Formats: sequence, C-alpha cells, structure tokens
Amino acid sequence: ILNVEQSPQSLHVQEGDSTNFTCSFPSSNFYALHWYRWETAKSPEALFVMTLNGDEKKKGRISATLNTKEGYSYLYIKGSQPEDSATYLCALILTGGGNKLTFGTGTQLKVEL
Amino acid sequence: GAVVSQHPSWVICKSGTSVKIECRSLDFQATTMFWYRQFPKQSLMLMATSNEGSKATYEQGVEKDKFLINHASLTLSTLTVTSAHPEDSSFYICSAKSVEDGQYFGPGTRLTVL
Repeated sequence: ILNVEQSPQSLHVQEGDSTNFTCSFPSSNFYALHWYRWETAKSPEALFVMTLNGDEKKKGRISATLNTKEGYSYLYIKGSQPEDSATYLCALILTGGGNKLTFGTGTQLKVEL
Repeated sequence: GAVVSQHPSWVICKSGTSVKIECRSLDFQATTMFWYRQFPKQSLMLMATSNEGSKATYEQGVEKDKFLINHASLTLSTLTVTSAHPEDSSFYICSAKSVEDGQYFGPGTRLTVL
C-alpha cells in the first residue's frame, strides 16, 4: 500500500498569518506530485505539478517546494485570507504508474477574520 | 480552464436499486477518465480508469460487476452502482485527462443508500 501522508490534518489561522503544510511520500519510484485546492461543494482545483527535486513553484501567495530524495513537499500560504479556506490535497504519481494519482487525506485550512 | 461536470450532485436511493452517475468534460475531449471514491475521514481512492471506447481498468478490490463504467464518447463517462447497499454510501468523484496531461475533477456526487 502506498502511503501519502499530510499534516496537519486541520489548521485554523488568523487572516494575515502565513502557514504551511506537509505532504510526505515514499521517495522511491517518484514521478510527480500534484497539489490541489478543494473548496466545499466545488471541484478540486489543480495548484501545482512538481516533478524535479528542488522544484519550487509559486502562484500568487501560494508556493510549494519538493524534496524527492527525502520524500516530502511543503505548501506555503503567505498572508492567509478567508478565501484560502479549503482542503489542500497532495497526490503522488509513481514511475510507471500511468496517470494514477494516490492522494493524501488532505489538510483542512480555516482562515478566520 | 477545463471544466468537468458531474450529475447528480447528490442522490438518495433505496437498498437494491441502481444509480447512474454521469461525468462530462464540458470544453475539452478526454480520452481517459478516472473514478474515485472517498469515505469519511479517508483519502480519495481510485476505483477505475476509463478509456474511451474500451473496457475500464479496475483497481484491486473494486468489483467490476458492481461498479459498471461506460465511456462511450470523448466527453462522457458514466458510473453505475448496481444493486446499491448502505456500504456503498460514499462520495464519488470523477476526473478527466486532457491531451495537455492535466487531470481535471468534477465536483463529486454524494450517494446515500438507505
């Protein structure tokens, strides 16, 4: 069984705080890591696709880093806003795994005023 | 951006009935669609991969005779839960793969079997 773990499970922060979450995965046979943002009653929205060790990607106030050798990725949100409240999912694709995504259980973020 | 719709968004049915869920790619063609299931407090789990015009590939432990998948066109895949039972109550979500390799998700269907 492939284990993709996310921590923390949930997080409450104040508006303006910066925050980060972790996605851990087995380092062998790595192909790609996807980050998704999932708001209630909406479709998961793709944030980043990370493929190279040391990759750092940024989209507005959100950024992500990747360490394939030690098997983790961090997602950072700078200056959190209430609209950032969502569940953030990471999903792993292994070499030879086709397009099969193996998801973590997600980090539920709530940004309060 | 690429949009995927799912219908219905929620359904309640009696035990023993069959339920069909549709997944459509609205503004792109999807040669491959995926069906996932999520039980409470658990992660999204891939059930099957569906390629247009061919039989679906099911993940280990997923009964193909219970979860019938049809991918008859490049924009539509359907999942039919046959003879549904309370243990099939779950959140079912599809995704569609575009030629640019992005995987785009529908909003999901909440199934409750009484």
